[in-house]
Amino acid sequence: VQLVESGGGLVQPGGSLRLSCVASGFTLGSHWMHWVRLVPGKGLAWVARIKTDGTTSLYADSVKGRFTISRDNANNTLFLRMNSLRVDDSALYFCAREHVVENWIDSWGQGTLVTVSS
Amino acid sequence: SYEVTQPPSVSVSPGQTATITCSGDKLGDKYVSWHQHKSGQRPVAVMYQDAKRPSGISERFSGSNSGNTATLTISGTRAMDEADYYCQAWDRSTVVFGGGTKLTVL
Repeated sequence: VQLVESGGGLVQPGGSLRLSCVASGFTLGSHWMHWVRLVPGKGLAWVARIKTDGTTSLYADSVKGRFTISRDNANNTLFLRMNSLRVDDSALYFCAREHVVENWIDSWGQGTLVTVSS
Repeated sequence: SYEVTQPPSVSVSPGQTATITCSGDKLGDKYVSWHQHKSGQRPVAVMYQDAKRPSGISERFSGSNSGNTATLTISGTRAMDEADYYCQAWDRSTVVFGGGTKLTVL
């Protein structure tokens, strides 16, 4: 199982980024998937969750209306579109896999760093 | 929204037992997982559904959850166990993390 995030970088407040997470070693379409972020000194914070077929998405209140989680199962890729970025969105963003049968997060990527600054 | 609370830090001597708690309203009615994170590495799940160990996780790790408190216990603590530990609960269909506990092995 491997999850590899990319797409992070430096962006100005109000800007946009799209993060990607390429999955390998398993069938992405069989798993609910998550984005989680880590802010140094503040810990992990859940961002979003998406159903296996992409028909259901859930968001943390802090990102609702600004972030969109999506997936391309044919290409084994998970996405996070981030709009109207704020300074406090700066974090290391992880994608994470949910167990195929039981509801627990069983695998994580290495993360991609997003810095929002002027 | 639902919240879970952890102590910011726990210290333990090598070979001793470390206990990390996670508190939340009626937390015992929810499933809790624990994730270990070492700086620069990917997080690793060390416990799920309160007391189940994922494949490959040492038997030194155990968990419980009752009432308002979930507990991760590490017996025979080693230097390699030094890390940040996060409890994670489910709030309806969304996920909640605790603030994390830094485990120091002195």
